[in-house]
Amino acid sequence: GAVVSQHPSWVICKSGTSVKIECRSLDFQATTMFWYRQFPKQSLMLMATSNEGSKATYEQGVEKDKFLINHASLTLSTLTVTSAHPEDSSFYICSARDLGLADNEQFFGPGTRLTVL
Amino acid sequence: DAKTTQPPSMDCAEGRAANLPCNHSTISGNEYVYWYRQIHSQGPQYIIHGLKNNETNEMASLIITEDRKSSTLILPHATLRDTAVYYCIVRVGSGNTPLVFGKGTRLSVIA
Repeated sequence: GAVVSQHPSWVICKSGTSVKIECRSLDFQATTMFWYRQFPKQSLMLMATSNEGSKATYEQGVEKDKFLINHASLTLSTLTVTSAHPEDSSFYICSARDLGLADNEQFFGPGTRLTVL
Repeated sequence: DAKTTQPPSMDCAEGRAANLPCNHSTISGNEYVYWYRQIHSQGPQYIIHGLKNNETNEMASLIITEDRKSSTLILPHATLRDTAVYYCIVRVGSGNTPLVFGKGTRLSVIA
């Protein structure tokens, strides 16, 4: 299947700093990427839908000014957690849809574990 | 998208078949059934999907009832590495609708 990478795989930062997470589709093009967040022992929660060349669409309750999403190319989307606080500590997972597949398969990155001290 | 109902947890002996049920009684005619799994601290992994016919690939088989209101994912010979949370999701096959995850079934394969 198609490969989606994320960088970094884990990050520890101080409260008040900003953290950028990159999501890349390595062997396919994706006009749409999705960002999820997962707290311990919970399921994945969709945060936003990222469309190449346009503004992201955020789910209810997700602050767009805190979680900045940029999707500048067909293979790269970034999520920046601004002024991170301990409650933002979570497992962040991106996902991309392969336009070349008829059934709209969605592939996931390995995730980025963010710990805010 | 239609909602799904899965048992919270299941156990399976290593080497035996694991049968994971999913109810999706409100599924629409254009919605597919997708199965993903998530091993601890990793991103979800695609397993299989289908519309109305049974499907099989190198990982698993998907059995969908004739009325499409339920399905079963079958791992024919479960190994310890199949221990994971398995998610059954229904979604239209086209467009940009994202996958929405429920709580899934935590499968524990026991030696």
